[in-house]
Amino acid sequence: KQEVTQIPAALSVPEGENLVLNCSFTDSAIYNLQWFRQDPGKGLTSLLLIQSSQREQTSGRLNASLDKSSGRSTLYIAASQPGDSATYLCAALIGGAQKLVFGQGTRLTINP
Amino acid sequence: EAGVTQSPTHLIKTRGQQATLRCSPISGHTSVYWYQQALGLGLQFLLWYDEGEERNRGNFPPRFSGRQFPNYSSELNVNALELEDSALYLCASSEAGAILPSVYEQYFGPGTRLTVT
Repeated sequence: KQEVTQIPAALSVPEGENLVLNCSFTDSAIYNLQWFRQDPGKGLTSLLLIQSSQREQTSGRLNASLDKSSGRSTLYIAASQPGDSATYLCAALIGGAQKLVFGQGTRLTINP
Repeated sequence: EAGVTQSPTHLIKTRGQQATLRCSPISGHTSVYWYQQALGLGLQFLLWYDEGEERNRGNFPPRFSGRQFPNYSSELNVNALELEDSALYLCASSEAGAILPSVYEQYFGPGTRLTVT
């Protein structure tokens, strides 16, 4: 059974810092891995999707990497801003079943 | 391009009643997914529909059911509501999930918050 873990559960940093959010999964047989952002009480906004054959994806100040062999993904946020404050979720796609297995999320607070 | 839409935004029901939640996918998307986000339990996969058929369901009781209409919109029904059904229900859609499961992103709607009293 696939399990996805995110560390840390919460993170508070001053504005302008570069930071890394971690995601680990137990079964390397994933089809892809997605990173999402969720604002309080809202739905999910897709940030990046990494296919199983890829090593990383970049969008603006965000960079996500994937290492299937070690069961790990990281989300790097450069030059953090207060508007980046949200909960960040990673999710691994189980092929065939077509279901996303989510981590519990990292609640990020960027202090001005 | 319009995103995934869900209705209603909020729904308040009494234990034992039935709830119906609705989802309209992004135009051109044929797959619809339902997830439950209950407090303290994280996001859990509920159901996947593609081309009008239920393709997979998560570890939920039969009280949770749904369907997908010819226009690819979907309905989630929860019968005999229990207090622990209170949660944010998220719908997502993607292109052709049954054909190329790994390629397409799932795009999420804003959710329906169901409160059971």
